[in-house]
Amino acid sequence: QSALTQPASVSGSPGQSITISCTGTNSDVGSYNLVSWYQQHPGKAPKLMIHEVNSRPSGVSNRFSGSKSGNTASLTISGLQAEDEADYYCCSYAGSSTYVFGTGTKVTVL
Amino acid sequence: QVQLQQWGAGLLKPSETLSLTCAVYGGSFSNYYWSWIRQSPGKGLEWIGEINHRGRSNYNPSLKSRVTISVDTSKNQFSLELSSVTAADTAVYYCARAPWSGSYYDSWGQGTLVTVSS
Repeated sequence: QSALTQPASVSGSPGQSITISCTGTNSDVGSYNLVSWYQQHPGKAPKLMIHEVNSRPSGVSNRFSGSKSGNTASLTISGLQAEDEADYYCCSYAGSSTYVFGTGTKVTVL
Repeated sequence: QVQLQQWGAGLLKPSETLSLTCAVYGGSFSNYYWSWIRQSPGKGLEWIGEINHRGRSNYNPSLKSRVTISVDTSKNQFSLELSSVTAADTAVYYCARAPWSGSYYDSWGQGTLVTVSS
């Protein structure tokens, strides 16, 4: 059970859109529509941003959206804001009642 | 609004057993799965395992031989034990809630830093 692969860092200017990829295998991301995304600010617990590939919990800005194609899921942040600067992690169900997280991506707002 | 509050020993010696407890306030305990997740310093998140109110548990295969997750429904609490710890187990440990097994984590505890050092 290997960690899902994410880019170490992604950056963008305020107002721009950025996309974070999350690449797994056909045993996890590719087999289940159970990908979730979490935002984590320094010293804080992760916060759910997207669940089941593209569903947004109540209270999460509609600037955050998710998608999936094959073994790769993506999180897009549109209209980038300073408060979006954080670490982002994807997570997928991996079968046999197990989960696997991504390696994490640091988002920097320039 | 559910709240998860966790506690446990923060400093252990190698070979000791890590023990943490998470209490659930303000929400249903029986309709969810309850998990433990850890984050090594400067590293990513690692799923440890989960349990439901009936005591049905699932574990990360890489940790399964050392992990026990238990539940106390009378107190709306669940606990983590990790035996034979080493420095590699130094991490912030989080408890979290999932609507069903295999889904996602919609509520998290505040995290507990556990350091393993001789």
